[in-house]
Amino acid sequence: DAKTTQPNSMESNEEEPVHLPCNHSTISGTDYIHWYRQLPSQGPEYVIHGLTSNVNNRMASLAIAEDRKSSTLILHRATLRDAAVYYCIPYLYNFNKFYFGSGTKLNVKP
Amino acid sequence: GAGVSQSPSNKVTEKGKDVELRCDPISGHTALYWYRQSLGQGLEFLIYFQGNSAPDKSGLPSDRFSAERTGGSVSTLTIQRTQQEDSAVYLCASSLWELAGGPNEQYFGPGTRLTVT
Repeated sequence: DAKTTQPNSMESNEEEPVHLPCNHSTISGTDYIHWYRQLPSQGPEYVIHGLTSNVNNRMASLAIAEDRKSSTLILHRATLRDAAVYYCIPYLYNFNKFYFGSGTKLNVKP
Repeated sequence: GAGVSQSPSNKVTEKGKDVELRCDPISGHTALYWYRQSLGQGLEFLIYFQGNSAPDKSGLPSDRFSAERTGGSVSTLTIQRTQQEDSAVYLCASSLWELAGGPNEQYFGPGTRLTVT
């Protein structure tokens, strides 16, 4: 069965880049990887999603390994507001299933 | 435009009663999702709809939980014979759906806080 794993927590200093890893074995070339985050006491919000290679938007970048067994969410300059739980969610197109990671709690130190 | 709306915003019910939670997605969004979040816990994915059909119901916690969507719009999540462990915030989200790639950005509603006494 497919499985998505993320570290339980990570810590970063403000103004420094953060690399949040996600392992997602057995995804295929048609499966997008989605990232969402949930700030304290707030609802979840979309961060980014992508299929292959690198994807960028105003919030973050998503680097997907060539073998597609892992991906990394990159926050280029962490701010205190980026402290949140980050969820990695591959969508397996041929199985119509989402495989949620348990989330990484990011703590940003001033 | 209007976002995702959920009703009621708060619901207190007695153990053993049935409850219905409603979600109104963003107009034109073909996909709709239900999540649950217990106090201090992470997001728990329950079910999603593509149009009126639910391709994956494996996230529903037990057979007391069911969901339906009609007309490709409003969805209801029904919990029968509620238990105290059902107490949580129930979140709904909706998104566009790309034929080639699947779900697009999900927009979340404010949630329904369910308390089972």
